Amino acid sequence: AQSVTQPDIHITVSEGASLELRCNYSYGATPYLFWYVQSPGQGLQLLLKYFSGDTLVQGIKGFEAEFKRSQSSFNLRKPSVHWSDAAEYFCAVGPILTGGGNKLTFGTGTQLKVEL
Amino acid sequence: DAGVTQSPTHLIKTRGQQVTLRCSPISGHKSVSWYQQVLGQGPQFIFQYYEKEERGRGNFPDRFSARQFPNYSSELNVNALLLGDSALYLCASSLGSRDPQNTIYFGEGSWLTVV
Repeated sequence: AQSVTQPDIHITVSEGASLELRCNYSYGATPYLFWYVQSPGQGLQLLLKYFSGDTLVQGIKGFEAEFKRSQSSFNLRKPSVHWSDAAEYFCAVGPILTGGGNKLTFGTGTQLKVEL
Repeated sequence: DAGVTQSPTHLIKTRGQQVTLRCSPISGHKSVSWYQQVLGQGPQFIFQYYEKEERGRGNFPDRFSARQFPNYSSELNVNALLLGDSALYLCASSLGSRDPQNTIYFGEGSWLTVV
């Protein structure tokens, strides 16, 4: 069965510092990988996605992620964090269901705190 | 364009009661999925519907049921509520079910508290 591990429950960075959030997945075939962000009391917003091709993908809000098949990882990065980036970040993998559906399996999330 | 809309946004129910949550997908989207997010956890897949048929079901008891209407909106029903059903229920929509590259968009969720 597919699974996603986000080893860091909480991360604190200073505004302007660089950020890397870790994500490891377990899946038998080529994964479709996603990063979502959730602000307090809000739904999920898609930051970026990887399906195939270039292993470095660019997303919204200055985020990028790199797919490394050999390490089963899809880490999220941002060169310079803004205070408004404080939120919870979820990595997800999306296989196709046998019934033709499409579901996402999420990690437990990383809570990002930004110090001013 | 309107995103995925859910109602109600917040509700409180008593153990043993039943609840119905509603979702309207983005215009043109035919697939709707439901997720449960317990505090401190990632969302867990409950159901997916496409063209009014159930296409996937997660590991949830039969107390959970859903349906999709001809206009592609959807309802999630939970019977015999337990305290553990307290969670944020997220609805997501996408264009269709067979293309894994369809982006999945989420609503802001319905907060359910069971007391």
